[in-house]
Amino acid sequence: QSVLTQPPSASGTPGQPVSISCYGSSSNIGSNPVNWYQQLPGTAPKLLIYSNNERPSGVPDRFSGSKYGTSASLAISGLQSEDEGDYYCALWDDSLNGWVFGGGTKLTVL
Amino acid sequence: QLQLQESGPGLVAPSETLSLTCTVSGGSISSRAYYWGWVRQPPGKGLEWIASIFYNGNTYSNPPLKGRITVSLDTSKNRFSLRLSSVTAADTAVYYCARHTAVAPYFDYWGQGALVTVSS
Repeated sequence: QSVLTQPPSASGTPGQPVSISCYGSSSNIGSNPVNWYQQLPGTAPKLLIYSNNERPSGVPDRFSGSKYGTSASLAISGLQSEDEGDYYCALWDDSLNGWVFGGGTKLTVL
Repeated sequence: QLQLQESGPGLVAPSETLSLTCTVSGGSISSRAYYWGWVRQPPGKGLEWIASIFYNGNTYSNPPLKGRITVSLDTSKNRFSLRLSSVTAADTAVYYCARHTAVAPYFDYWGQGALVTVSS
């Protein structure tokens, strides 16, 4: 059971918008910035969004992040076939004094 | 460009100790701006943080694993290591080494991962 709750799956057709949620608590999302990782099949996780809504260099601007209270969301404005993979929220938890990851959301492009 | 590369045995017997090393190139593990961490992923499952270590040796570990973990730095070889004792089949996973920032933390660079299987 993950400290951060994500839906196990999400899907959409090319060009559609899609959103993935991440629910936490006051000791993690309520206190610290949220990061999102993309893991394509057979590869290592890749930083997609950091500090709630910042994109690393090279990440397309159709990916965006937001945070409200103890929840966060990753939004993809126009889905592409290469976006198919697993997405994880992750951040520091002050109570655990360590990193916590969401359980992951498997994104399918129909 | 920073690169991290895991190395170590791919097969460990139950009750033995898993040992992995992460060699860093393109940056120094002595930097005061970053921690060096380990994250694992059991087959078909999600990511789990194991531990992180700072340039001065300060360490944070995942509480469920804390008693079995040793992490260390070798600044002369610019690498850091993980030892996980008393392993069971539940410790079978791909083990990633990664760097994370010390402030407003996020993991920014990851190794390619090393599969470690616990089996006799």
